[in-house]
Amino acid sequence: SQELEQSPQSLIVQEGKNLTINCTSSKTLYGLYWYKQKYGEGLIFLMMLQKGGEEKSHEKITAKLDEKKQQSSLHITASQPSHAGIYLCGADIPPSNTGKLIFGQGTTLQVKP
Amino acid sequence: DAMVIQNPRYQVTQFGKPVTLSCSQTLNHNVMYWYQQKSSQAPKLLFHYYDKDFNNEADTPDNFQSRRPNTSFCFLDIRSPGLGDAAMYLCATSTRGRGNQPQHFGDGTRLSIL
Repeated sequence: SQELEQSPQSLIVQEGKNLTINCTSSKTLYGLYWYKQKYGEGLIFLMMLQKGGEEKSHEKITAKLDEKKQQSSLHITASQPSHAGIYLCGADIPPSNTGKLIFGQGTTLQVKP
Repeated sequence: DAMVIQNPRYQVTQFGKPVTLSCSQTLNHNVMYWYQQKSSQAPKLLFHYYDKDFNNEADTPDNFQSRRPNTSFCFLDIRSPGLGDAAMYLCATSTRGRGNQPQHFGDGTRLSIL
């Protein structure tokens, strides 16, 4: 079965610093999704990646999928307290047309003012 | 704004007392999912509906049931909640038949068992 491993598990950064979160899959990724979750709330969709080498950005957050489609990274530039939360990567479970996702265990981000 | 709405946000029930959690959507998505998320863990898919077709995950306990009376609503029924069922329950929706599509989540219902 497919597994997603996120690193680091938790991260504390000073406001204004850059940071990267990684998501590694045991199998080829057909669809990779990044979500953000605040404690006690639902998941907010950030970005979706499908093609090897694909990169997407929204405001100060950039997500990339490597050429081999087994690893994705989420990079936050000039972090702000509003970026704090739990970041989860999710992947389509093959066959990719089922719509089902598995998730990594999450990375908890704290941003110190 | 189109969205996924879960009610209630917090639910407290007694050990063994049936409980129902509800989810509604205005996105007109054909797929609805229920996840269980325990503290500091990843969401775990319980089951999903593709239109009216119910799809249960192999390891979902029989104690958990679901109903989807129409496109907009989906319910999670826990017949006899045990202490181990205390968790956040997340509802999500998506479209299928158009390639990979992200799932859109509600704010969740936090279930406590006394």
